[in-house]
Amino acid sequence: QKEVEQNSGPLSVPEGAIASLNCTYSDRGSQSFFWYRQYSGKSPELIMSIYSNGDKEDGRFTAQLNKASQYVSLLIRDSQPSDSATYLCAVSNFNKFYFGSGTKLNVKP
Amino acid sequence: GAVVSQHPSWVICKSGTSVKIECRSLDFQATTMFWYRQFPKQSLMLMATSNEGSKATYEQGVEKDKFLINHASLTLSTLTVTSAHPEDSSFYICSAYPGGFVMNTEAFFGQGTRLTVV
Repeated sequence: QKEVEQNSGPLSVPEGAIASLNCTYSDRGSQSFFWYRQYSGKSPELIMSIYSNGDKEDGRFTAQLNKASQYVSLLIRDSQPSDSATYLCAVSNFNKFYFGSGTKLNVKP
Repeated sequence: GAVVSQHPSWVICKSGTSVKIECRSLDFQATTMFWYRQFPKQSLMLMATSNEGSKATYEQGVEKDKFLINHASLTLSTLTVTSAHPEDSSFYICSAYPGGFVMNTEAFFGQGTRLTVV
């Protein structure tokens, strides 16, 4: 079992819709959770971090964390074609850091 | 934010030669560094994880004798592609994690190195 699991996709949504990206993790001791976005041929960039149960909103992005279910999600509202990218989920616990394999998102105009 | 410098950003080499890629954390100490490879239109693939002062842990299917990883200090890790062949042509990216030095922090990515073997 991988430490962080993500559906590879691709996830296709129409422009203006809500894109929902999901991630599960196996280490119950994980403390910090991150979402990165990677455009093709570029390095990943951090878009959201969350440390407590519940929702965290930043513009069109909302990260959701449920530690009991070991589940992290990223919602993108009003999806734009420019949001088309691969989204990586990552979790950490002090000295351990794990990435998921990423979900490819396609936003169709 | 913290900076990870990866060098070179691109390299072209002849088949059979070796290429070294450096990954430096410029303003923090990295307990862990990750090396990824990405082929066109594919996802990042983790090659190996290295902790300072110890041997790298390679992912299944990655040849450790071909992809030599050295993490000799808390600010520098190197990936050497030995006896490179055209099929090794890819985008290589490193990521550095401060770990216990800084709580609740993310891992930081280098800019990537595009390797072309001719």
